[in-house]
Amino acid sequence: GAVVSQHPSWVICKSGTSVKIECRSLDFQATTMFWYRQFPKQSLMLMATSNEGSKATYEQGVEKDKFLINHASLTLSTLTVTSAHPEDSSFYICSAHPPQDQTQYFGPGTRLLVL
Amino acid sequence: AQRVTQPEKLLSVFKGAPVELKCNYSYSGSPELFWYVQYSRQRLQLLLRHISRESIKGFTADLNKGETSFHLKKPFAQEEDSAMYYCALGGAGSYQLTFGKGTKLSVIP
Repeated sequence: GAVVSQHPSWVICKSGTSVKIECRSLDFQATTMFWYRQFPKQSLMLMATSNEGSKATYEQGVEKDKFLINHASLTLSTLTVTSAHPEDSSFYICSAHPPQDQTQYFGPGTRLLVL
Repeated sequence: AQRVTQPEKLLSVFKGAPVELKCNYSYSGSPELFWYVQYSRQRLQLLLRHISRESIKGFTADLNKGETSFHLKKPFAQEEDSAMYYCALGGAGSYQLTFGKGTKLSVIP
């Protein structure tokens, strides 16, 4: 089956630093990946759509300069939380879909804690 | 605009009892509907999608376009079914999914 990995699985950082999260599709190519944020006991909130070879599409209210997305290859998208603050602490999840398939496959998530 | 409504935040049933997790959607085009499940400390995983018409782990869901619903059903709940269940809606021409707020199913032994 389609597998998506994320790295790291958790990260603790100081306020003001930047954190990079990687999302990889392991056994398929993904021209589109998605980044979500999940607050405790809440649903997923779509942050942005990552497009291979072009700019990401951000949802309303998501700061693109804060959450930098790079989709440099067909199997890798990265999310960089720049100048992280405690309010950025959350669970970040990525997903990807195989070509011509609307099913999204999810990574295990990355828990970010900003001190 | 696309919208998915899961009216129940929490649903508790006894083991062996029937389960129905409700999902209603709003979409002007031809919908693609999914149920995802998230077990404790695990990633979201696809449970089923309406076009495949499969039964996974005893769960089924039928798309009712007249009632704009895609309720998830299982005749006899098992303890291992306890999890968060999310209904998701996709549309033609887009790979984006709109998720409902989720329903936490708790199966009481």
